[in-house]
Amino acid sequence: GAVVSQHPSWVICKSGTSVKIECRSLDFQATTMFWYRQFPKQSLMLMATSNEGSKATYEQGVEKDKFLINHASLTLSTLTVTSAHPEDSSFYICSAETPGHRRADTQYFGPGTRLTVL
Amino acid sequence: QKEVEQNSGPLSVPEGAIASLNCTYSDRGSQSFFWYRQYSGKSPELIMFIYSNGDKEDGRFTAQLNKASQYVSLLIRDSQPSDSATYLCAVNIGGRESGGYQKVTFGTGTKLQVIP
Repeated sequence: GAVVSQHPSWVICKSGTSVKIECRSLDFQATTMFWYRQFPKQSLMLMATSNEGSKATYEQGVEKDKFLINHASLTLSTLTVTSAHPEDSSFYICSAETPGHRRADTQYFGPGTRLTVL
Repeated sequence: QKEVEQNSGPLSVPEGAIASLNCTYSDRGSQSFFWYRQYSGKSPELIMFIYSNGDKEDGRFTAQLNKASQYVSLLIRDSQPSDSATYLCAVNIGGRESGGYQKVTFGTGTKLQVIP
């Protein structure tokens, strides 16, 4: 149980283009999903929290107009990197929350999407 | 001060030994604590969570929590080369019971190397 998928697993794009990444909870409904970014040899940095049916909550320093998040259903959240630039190249990972683990709301991670912007 | 601190390592242990990974956190209001394992190029995998003081055991893994000292650790018994990975400590600050916003903060991870 608690399987999270991401698509695509990797993507290479030209500078200035937009890239959409999908995150799906396959066997449970996730009211909350999280988007992280991880640069090489660094830890996960939370970008935003996505709640189904409402606007995402972005962390300080994350441009909401650049990283568009849509959480249209209980099993799908999307992250669109608009006008991508080489500095946006990173490992993007989503996670979905599974409430109900006795005071420990755990997060299960998707396999990640490696974005390379040329 | 970082919210969640870990020694980056690498921590090298011989195969079969006990690996001890440590983590300290700054927010006394933290309620839940997690250990994730991350292999290179992969996303984190949840190993254990703990929210009460004391020890919690699951197979070869034991999580230890000391809220008074704001310290959480992970012990891996009978370490195997396949355990070689980066271990991320994560802390839930402000859980559902507090009515607050659920946010998990990650440490930078400790790289573990198990030597055959």
